[in-house]
Amino acid sequence: QQQVKQSPQSLIVQKGGISIINCAYENTAFDYFPWYQQFPGKGPALLIAIRPDVSEKKEGRFTISFNKSAKQFSLHIMDSQPGDSATYFCAASISNSGYALNFGKGTSLLVTP
Amino acid sequence: ETGVTQTPRHLVMGMTNKKSLKCEQHLGHNAMYWYKQSAKKPLELMFVYNFKEQTENNSVPSRFSPECPNSSHLFLHLHTLQPEDSALYLCASSPGLAGYEQYFGPGTRLTVT
Repeated sequence: QQQVKQSPQSLIVQKGGISIINCAYENTAFDYFPWYQQFPGKGPALLIAIRPDVSEKKEGRFTISFNKSAKQFSLHIMDSQPGDSATYFCAASISNSGYALNFGKGTSLLVTP
Repeated sequence: ETGVTQTPRHLVMGMTNKKSLKCEQHLGHNAMYWYKQSAKKPLELMFVYNFKEQTENNSVPSRFSPECPNSSHLFLHLHTLQPEDSALYLCASSPGLAGYEQYFGPGTRLTVT
């Protein structure tokens, strides 16, 4: 059972554009929502994470928007660059629950020059 | 480098072989994980160890046998695998279980012939 649903599966954005990836969850007990970035031949690496006490978190060109009532969160990549081309995974977990992260299926992002 | 190393990086094995994957983390973390990543599929959590004790086994076939001799090392013993087991096997570690960033190794690309 997929606890975190991610869309779209793939995304093509022109250089300088905004890339938006969405995730939805059902378990209202989730309280930690990280995004991971994976380049070919590498393992996933944490990009940015948010906890539900805030509705938005920004780090450079990357922003997480969090909507607790809708049980949705999204990743926005502003001024997308070809170097951002990678696979992005959202995830969710319950802190101190003893259970590991639940990952979305991933979004393959291609930023064209 | 993430502080998590995996060997070998590539492995080709026949269905009757026995091989082992090794993971080592130099981060002082207490939790370690094995994931399977297949093409066009989400990250599949296989096993979780916390303080050397196995806390999760997500219905993984017995032809995969994990071993965690200490908090820094994790092994995945493989025997009589099937071609559908060909995938990227990722190891990760984190300070604790839920609510913490997971640090991934580069993975072992396994091909079963």
